[in-house]
Amino acid sequence: RKEVEQDPGPFNVPEGATVAFNCTYSNSASQSFFWYRQDCRKEPKLLMSVYSSGNEDGRFTAQLNRASQYISLLIRDSKLSDSATYLCVVNSGTGGFKTIFGAGTRLFVKA
Amino acid sequence: DAGITQSPRYKITETGRQVTLMCHQTWSHSYMFWYRQDLGHGLRLIYYSAAADITDKGEVPDGYVVSRSKTENFPLTLESATRSQTSVYFCASINPGATTEAFFGQGTRLTVV
Repeated sequence: RKEVEQDPGPFNVPEGATVAFNCTYSNSASQSFFWYRQDCRKEPKLLMSVYSSGNEDGRFTAQLNRASQYISLLIRDSKLSDSATYLCVVNSGTGGFKTIFGAGTRLFVKA
Repeated sequence: DAGITQSPRYKITETGRQVTLMCHQTWSHSYMFWYRQDLGHGLRLIYYSAAADITDKGEVPDGYVVSRSKTENFPLTLESATRSQTSVYFCASINPGATTEAFFGQGTRLTVV
């Protein structure tokens, strides 16, 4: 079983749609969680951290459920510029910084 | 320039050759990572390092060697390149005392023929 698993995608949505991505992780000792965005196999860049209390940044909302070992990302009012691959990231291991990426979920937003 | 840089950006090599990919960061981040990215697999962790002279295996370490004699450098060596190692390689660093955000180099596209 992979340490971090994501919806396979791709997701094809119209502009303005709401889309949700899910991610599960296997290591219950994992300490910190993130969503990254990657465009056209360029380097990934941090989109947002994920906290147990949930956090929101504009149109983006991230949630963490430690009991279920589940992370989600919600994008509201999708824009064409949101088209990218979204990567779920988990820090685990001794000291908490063995950083494992999910395989990514591809999003296509169409006009 | 400040940041994390990888070299070379592109490399073509022959099967069986030894190849070293370089990664250099100017922030003195303690943690550094090497990933490979293939279509359908996302980023897979090859090796990581918590500090100079401390390295650990990731998900797919076979066929790779790393060293970390200095905090700022984390070279990745393919001892005897195989076609299955054709991939895009990303180096990253983290400062665990701050946000734990991973900062990436621009990647090295390696082709083994």
